[in-house]
Amino acid sequence: EAGVAQSPRYKIIEKRQSVAFWCNPISGHATLYWYQQILGQGPKLLIQFQNNGVVDDSQLPKDRFSAERLKGVDSTLKIQPAKLEDSAVYLCASSFAYEQYFGPGTRLTVT
Amino acid sequence: KNEVEQSPQNLTAQEGEFITINCSYSVGISALHWLQQHPGGGIVSLFMLSSGKKKHGRLIATINIQEKHSSLHITASHPRDSAVYICAVSRPGYSGGGADGLTFGKGTHLIIQP
Repeated sequence: EAGVAQSPRYKIIEKRQSVAFWCNPISGHATLYWYQQILGQGPKLLIQFQNNGVVDDSQLPKDRFSAERLKGVDSTLKIQPAKLEDSAVYLCASSFAYEQYFGPGTRLTVT
Repeated sequence: KNEVEQSPQNLTAQEGEFITINCSYSVGISALHWLQQHPGGGIVSLFMLSSGKKKHGRLIATINIQEKHSSLHITASHPRDSAVYICAVSRPGYSGGGADGLTFGKGTHLIIQP
């Protein structure tokens, strides 16, 4: 079974630029999550999708972050404009029942 | 105060030692998860439990719902067990069913020396 795929794996941008991350969940997994993990901390949930609908985006900084999951499969997370404090690993996870499967993450550095 | 607290934050031990990592939480949960994260690697789920005890190989996880506390034990530790171990909880009724977004602790950085 193929795992959760994410791209790119690494991204370096300057502050105020825009960036987008892509996630392809495990086939058949209805629930998809985006987490932000700042160095030295545990991941923080940004947004949760159930199929193509948003279940929870209470911790998503909506003034600069946006996410979509068209057709209930792949998802993209966008940051526009980026700030220095957005430097982190962005993890995508998917689940069918209660266990979550994580992708390798995208490491974002904002300079 | 964080909703999920882990201790210790860092732990260095010798190969073969019995390891215990603790997790306390302050909110109602539907399940507690133990996950493993290797440097530069993704996160792997080790256990999901809502009561009692689970065992997988040399790993044992326990939870006490009344005390809102869980422990992860590693028996006969080995250098390949070196990783960050993360405790996370899912909240009941958060998404109306299914798998809920997790609230994570900060992790315990474990180093097992040969």
